[in-house]
Amino acid sequence: DIVMTQSPTSMSISVGDRVTMNCKASQNVGSNVDWYQQKTGQSPKLLIYKASNRYTGVPDRFTGSGSGTDFTFTISNMQAEDLAVYYCMQSNSYPRTFGGGTKLELK
Amino acid sequence: EVQLVESGGGLVQPGSPLKLSCAASGFTFSSNWLNWIRQAPGKGLEWVASINPDGSSTYYPDTVKGRFVVSKDNAKNTGYLQMNNLRSEDTAMYYCARPPVYWGQGVMVTVSS
Repeated sequence: DIVMTQSPTSMSISVGDRVTMNCKASQNVGSNVDWYQQKTGQSPKLLIYKASNRYTGVPDRFTGSGSGTDFTFTISNMQAEDLAVYYCMQSNSYPRTFGGGTKLELK
Repeated sequence: EVQLVESGGGLVQPGSPLKLSCAASGFTFSSNWLNWIRQAPGKGLEWVASINPDGSSTYYPDTVKGRFVVSKDNAKNTGYLQMNNLRSEDTAMYYCARPPVYWGQGVMVTVSS
């Protein structure tokens, strides 16, 4: 199985900060990584698909990059409504596997 | 508008079966894959099943293989997750999803004596 190692597990941030998190795949997954945002009590919401494609309606402060085994997700100008847990997921092969999540908290 | 609505959750004893349903609307159900993903309380996301559009191929992780069966009835626009021999570690919120975008609101399954 492909292990998705996501880091950091949590971040204390301020509004306006630039936030960067990473996912490292244990095998080459090409560009087949999606990024999800999950707010408390809600189901996950797709932000980025195929590593770098912003889903319809997602603000451009959210960006994704990477290929192969190393992937990065960035929020360029953190807003209060972005407080959530973020997950990467590889869709290159079965079983699908998620990273452990990165929780963003206010400093 | 795409909608996915899960039902069938509840409290069951270890070793019991339970069948979840996922009612879909707003898209051509017969042309789309269906996933099931779960989330234990306070934990991360775990993919538990996928089924292809016509139901001929299914995929599972080792943690549920042999116990869970995913299916879909394209005539009823409904997907199912039959869960057998449930364990305490299966306690979670279960989401159905039309990958990669659309997710339901989830249904809680609690396995406890």
